[in-house]
Amino acid sequence: DQQVKQNSPSLSVQEGRISILNCDYTNSMFDYFLWYKKYPAEGPTFLISISSIKDKNEDGRFTVFLNKSAKHLSLHIVPSQPGDSAVYFCAASPNSNSGYALNFGKGTSLLVTP
Amino acid sequence: GAVVSQHPSRVICKSGTSVKIECRSLDFQATTMFWYRQFPKQSLMLMATSNEGSKATYEQGVEKDKFLINHASLTLSTLTVTSAHPEDSSFYICSARDPSLAGGGNEQFFGPGTRLTVL
Repeated sequence: DQQVKQNSPSLSVQEGRISILNCDYTNSMFDYFLWYKKYPAEGPTFLISISSIKDKNEDGRFTVFLNKSAKHLSLHIVPSQPGDSAVYFCAASPNSNSGYALNFGKGTSLLVTP
Repeated sequence: GAVVSQHPSRVICKSGTSVKIECRSLDFQATTMFWYRQFPKQSLMLMATSNEGSKATYEQGVEKDKFLINHASLTLSTLTVTSAHPEDSSFYICSARDPSLAGGGNEQFFGPGTRLTVL
């Protein structure tokens, strides 16, 4: 039962443009959300997170938006760079301090072309 | 900070043998570590939660006698795949939380993963 869904398996964006990666979740108990970036044959690298008390969190070129009523979050990367090409995983957990394991989506493969 | 290492990075073994994978938190103490596996083009699937000094908590469908987890210290957890078979071939990744992080967020830091191939 996939509780975190990334419905776009891949996305291609031109360098300098905005990349928007989407994520939906079904479990209303989730209130902490994270984005990870993963290169082939490597472990995921934490990018940015957001808790349910916020609807936006920004860190440099990366911004995460959360629409809790729609159970939807998105990651915006602007401007996109070729080095951003990777698989991006959305993850969610019930509580930021609980130590609960993360529920991952299937990932979206982003390709940023020069 | 918050570096997690895994060893080995790649292992090839014969069917029926056992393989041990180590996960270490290098610059922090992790009371909880997590073990995931990833099949090609699939998501990371949680296998078990490893708690220091106590038994691991396994997810539904994961055989605890096949995937032995030991978390003997605050910086080391091991996953042993016993009597490995070709269907166990996968990418195994561990992660750990750093409880000392300001704000106590649930960011998990992942190891680089171990590619297991069972012939």
